[in-house]
Amino acid sequence: GDSVTQMEGPVTLSEEAFLTINCTYTATGYPSLFWYVQYPGEGLQLLLKATKADDKGSNKGFEATYRKETTSFHLEKGSVQVSDSAVYFCALRVYGNNRLAFGKGNQVVVIP
Amino acid sequence: DTAVSQTPKYLVTQMGNDKSIKCEQNLGHDTMYWYKQDSKKFLKIMFSYNNKELIINETVPNRFSPKSPDKAHLNLHINSLELGDSAVYFCASSQDRVANNYGYTFGSGTRLTVV
Repeated sequence: GDSVTQMEGPVTLSEEAFLTINCTYTATGYPSLFWYVQYPGEGLQLLLKATKADDKGSNKGFEATYRKETTSFHLEKGSVQVSDSAVYFCALRVYGNNRLAFGKGNQVVVIP
Repeated sequence: DTAVSQTPKYLVTQMGNDKSIKCEQNLGHDTMYWYKQDSKKFLKIMFSYNNKELIINETVPNRFSPKSPDKAHLNLHINSLELGDSAVYFCASSQDRVANNYGYTFGSGTRLTVV
């Protein structure tokens, strides 16, 4: 089936550090890929997306590139801020299927 | 204007009670969803409706019953609440059933605590 795998465990880093969160996927068809962010006490918000291979999604300094050859969609940010502390979810949706498959999420904590 | 709104935001109730959570979207989307998020932040889809038709019905106890009076509303009714039902429940909507370019728009969640 369609599934997303995110790296295990929370991520703790200092302000202005470089952030990478790994995401790999398995899809039965041609997927679109998404990153969602959940700030404390809030719902999920769409952070960025990419709908075809080699597309790069970007928003708020975050970037992710759709790599079909490695079935990956890793999230990166060059210099994180305390306000980036949140849970980040990778997700995919296959054409013809309205189900959005989520990864388990990664808690990111940015320390001043 | 809130795109996907859920009520109530917090719900504390005793075991055995029956409760409902309401969801409304003003985006004109034709598909709506209910997700359950556990204490480890894991998201599990429960139900999905497309234009009032049930299209996803995951393995969920039949104490949970969704109701969609129209495509802008999807309510969740829970009978005989149990301690394990404590979680955050999210409503979401999406624009199209087939096209996969669109993600979901989520509500802000309902934190259910069963005591």
